[in-house]
Amino acid sequence: AQKITQTQPGMFVQEKEAVTLDCTYDTSDPSYGLFWYKQPSSGEMIFLIYQGSYDQQNATEGRYSLNFQKARKSANLVISASQLGDSAMYFCAMREGRFGNNDMRFGAGTRLTVKP
Amino acid sequence: EPEVTQTPSHQVTQMGQEVILRCVPISNHLYFYWYRQILGQKVEFLVSFYNNEISEKSEIFDDQFSVERPDGSNFTLKIRSTKLEDSAMYFCASSAETMGNQPQHFGDGTRLSIL
Repeated sequence: AQKITQTQPGMFVQEKEAVTLDCTYDTSDPSYGLFWYKQPSSGEMIFLIYQGSYDQQNATEGRYSLNFQKARKSANLVISASQLGDSAMYFCAMREGRFGNNDMRFGAGTRLTVKP
Repeated sequence: EPEVTQTPSHQVTQMGQEVILRCVPISNHLYFYWYRQILGQKVEFLVSFYNNEISEKSEIFDDQFSVERPDGSNFTLKIRSTKLEDSAMYFCASSAETMGNQPQHFGDGTRLSIL
């Protein structure tokens, strides 16, 4: 069974600084995808970034990058140059398999607060 | 940018009543999903749907839940006889495919409150 662990229930960061949100996962499937979503206080789920298990390079998307350490089964999200609008819940999620496995399992989330 | 839309944004229902939550997925997407998020907790997978049938469901998705794609655009979640513990935010999502880097795009959710 797959399992996603986010050990930081809450994190604080100063505006304009970088922050790392931790995510570890557990799977026996060699093929999987890792996703990060942002959930602002308004409640919607916003897709941020994806990392595939066979990707050789760490994913980057604007100010978001993923520190993917496959051997350690970790996929930490790095947000550079934090902005006040980055304050939100952040969820790590994993989808196993390449074909037909549809469900995505989420971690418990990390609440990020950016301080001015 | 195309988006998943969900209606209503907030539904209040008496315990034991039936409720239908509605979703319009992104038009060229083929895979549809329902998730729920109990207040303050993580997002939990309920069910996925492809080619007019359920492809996967979780242990949460018991006999009181059903999904339907009644026409070419809507995707609905029905809860037959609601319980207090069904109170949660329900998210609909859709994706173009299930492989690779195709994310699931989420709607803004329906907050279901059972009284």
